[in-house]
Amino acid sequence: GEDVEQSLFLSVREGDSSVINCTYTDSSSTYLYWYKQEPGAGLQLLTYIFSNMDMKQDQRLTVLLNKKDKHLSLRIADTQTGDSAIYFCAALSSGTYKYIFGTGTRLKVLA
Amino acid sequence: NAGVTQTPKFQVLKTGQSMTLQCAQDMNHEYMSWYRQDPGMGLRLIHYSVGAGITDQGEVPNGYNVSRSTTEDFPLRLLSAAPSQTSVYFCASRRYRDSRETQYFGPGTRLLVL
Repeated sequence: GEDVEQSLFLSVREGDSSVINCTYTDSSSTYLYWYKQEPGAGLQLLTYIFSNMDMKQDQRLTVLLNKKDKHLSLRIADTQTGDSAIYFCAALSSGTYKYIFGTGTRLKVLA
Repeated sequence: NAGVTQTPKFQVLKTGQSMTLQCAQDMNHEYMSWYRQDPGMGLRLIHYSVGAGITDQGEVPNGYNVSRSTTEDFPLRLLSAAPSQTSVYFCASRRYRDSRETQYFGPGTRLLVL
């Protein structure tokens, strides 16, 4: 079946850029999402990108999509301690309402 | 708007007991869904609904039932709880209109089945 994979951990220093990577298997994915989950809370939708786009920028967040390699990345500029959280990548297949989530990347920002 | 609300926040059940996890949203979103989150496995879709009276199965539907009698409410029923259903359950709602997506998750219900 469809799968979304992410690395488990990322550690960066405050002020540096963070890049969180994700790969997906379903070539018919039409929307790709990034969520943030803080401890004890639900998921917060950060941003999403349509499959016909290569890049989307939203303030400190930049999403890059390489459709050929089925690779999605989230870059957080000027990473702050408040960015420490788990980040989930998710894909939505064309013609369905079924979201497939990755296992999440735990980002730790060191002061 | 209260967003997506879930009750209870925490529940302990014995094997074989039944219960209903409540989910409500006040944003008039058409799409609602239930996920479970287990360590190292991300979120897995249990059931979803695209409108009142319409529900469908997700990735892991066994042992769970849903109904959608109103746009606002989407309860999840565990008919006979099993230890394998120990998890954190999240409800979510979504609206897609004018090429713009809005999506919200509830705060979650932690369920422990003994």
